[in-house]
Amino acid sequence: DTGVSQNPRHKITKRGQNVTFRCDPISEHNRLYWYRQTLGQGPEFLTYFQNEAQLEKSRLLSDRFSAERPKGSFSTLEIQRTEQGDSAMYLCASSLSYTAESTDTQYFGPGTRLTVL
Amino acid sequence: RKEVEQDPGPFNVPEGATVAFNCTYSNSASQSFFWYRQDCRKEPKLLMSVYSSGNEDGRFTAQLNRASQYISLLIRDSKLSDSATYLCVVLGEYSSASKIIFGSGTRLSIRP
Repeated sequence: DTGVSQNPRHKITKRGQNVTFRCDPISEHNRLYWYRQTLGQGPEFLTYFQNEAQLEKSRLLSDRFSAERPKGSFSTLEIQRTEQGDSAMYLCASSLSYTAESTDTQYFGPGTRLTVL
Repeated sequence: RKEVEQDPGPFNVPEGATVAFNCTYSNSASQSFFWYRQDCRKEPKLLMSVYSSGNEDGRFTAQLNRASQYISLLIRDSKLSDSATYLCVVLGEYSSASKIIFGSGTRLSIRP
């Protein structure tokens, strides 16, 4: 399977704990996105990488959230001191874009479902 | 007002029927538009892009109305497998990922 993969698929944690999720994009894709989705809502943009550079961050991304893409391939999203409100599906997507103006097709991974108790 | 709004549904239609739903957007400078499909507990998958002139892909037709700021999706001869949530996506500005706005989705249920 050469699609976007995410690990773990499910994570249950206690409030106050730190969690880290991993996303492996489609190998030749240069852009990687993180979204959060709660029940009954569409995905909400969190942050975005072009290769290894984190180019944009949403206001939704508090200081407790940090994302990295150190080698321009896989990415990690860490949430520190988790809160119950962090419970959601965290989706990763990747795309291949040739120019800044291109409207690329995003391919989503299966998501990591986080439950904070 | 939300930047992108969709009727949440559910739309419950019989197999073989034609169904259409709209998505309105507030930013008149929006550049690109897409329809994604999301099955229950699955990731969104691109259904089709929406072009200014409208476009068709098999049983699916997408239209853009810039004057009234909405996009539409028409599904003809609906199949049971069309049951899903349909998300519209609006890109507010080129090169700005934070301007990628998803609607909350319209749930479609096709009954036998």
